[in-house]
Amino acid sequence: AQSVTQLDSHVSVSEGTPVLLRCNYSSSYSPSLFWYVQHPNKGLQLLLKYTSAATLVKGINGFEAEFKKSETSFHLTKPSAHMSDAAEYFCVVRAFSGGYQKVTFGTGTKLQVIP
Amino acid sequence: DAGVIQSPRHEVTEMGQEVTLRCKPISGHNSLFWYRQTMMRGLELLIYFNNNVPIDDSGMPEDRFSAKMPNASFSTLKIQPSEPRDSAVYFCASSPRDREVNTIYFGEGSWLTVV
Repeated sequence: AQSVTQLDSHVSVSEGTPVLLRCNYSSSYSPSLFWYVQHPNKGLQLLLKYTSAATLVKGINGFEAEFKKSETSFHLTKPSAHMSDAAEYFCVVRAFSGGYQKVTFGTGTKLQVIP
Repeated sequence: DAGVIQSPRHEVTEMGQEVTLRCKPISGHNSLFWYRQTMMRGLELLIYFNNNVPIDDSGMPEDRFSAKMPNASFSTLKIQPSEPRDSAVYFCASSPRDREVNTIYFGEGSWLTVV
């Protein structure tokens, strides 16, 4: 079984303040974890991914995420929000078992950045 | 790299008409996915192919939906007959090699409105 929980459907921050988007997961396998961003009327773009190497993963646009196995979490952070960060963010889990793959998307977190 | 290419980008059609959405995956990728995104249901996996073979079509809503991948560089998603509740954004995505660590790359989406 596999699931992804994005704990906040909406997050609002002021420009220049830190961003924290939370993601918890469960998987019976050894998954890889991803964060994608979707700007309005656009497709999904990869921000970063964890693939069992370093637990702290750096992505594009100053974002990073830390994989914590004991907490089954993969929270996304950024030290200082920019107006262009306003978008929807998806946490994704991908795993293979017996030649069959399972990709599970979270329900998304909409980030609002206030000037 | 041209990315995943979808067409049409936007389509408005009348209820009962046939709709065909097209996708060209990134060259060399052997996994292809079709997703549907709506406000109510978020992102749903409809079907995925591995090496042109449908592996999991459990997400296809009903018999009105069908998907084909005649070769490694082309896939179609067909809805016949279309209904207003099919209005959504349909994303095609592809991934290199069948491993969980590999990124899934998304197209820009096909925005379907059925009136």
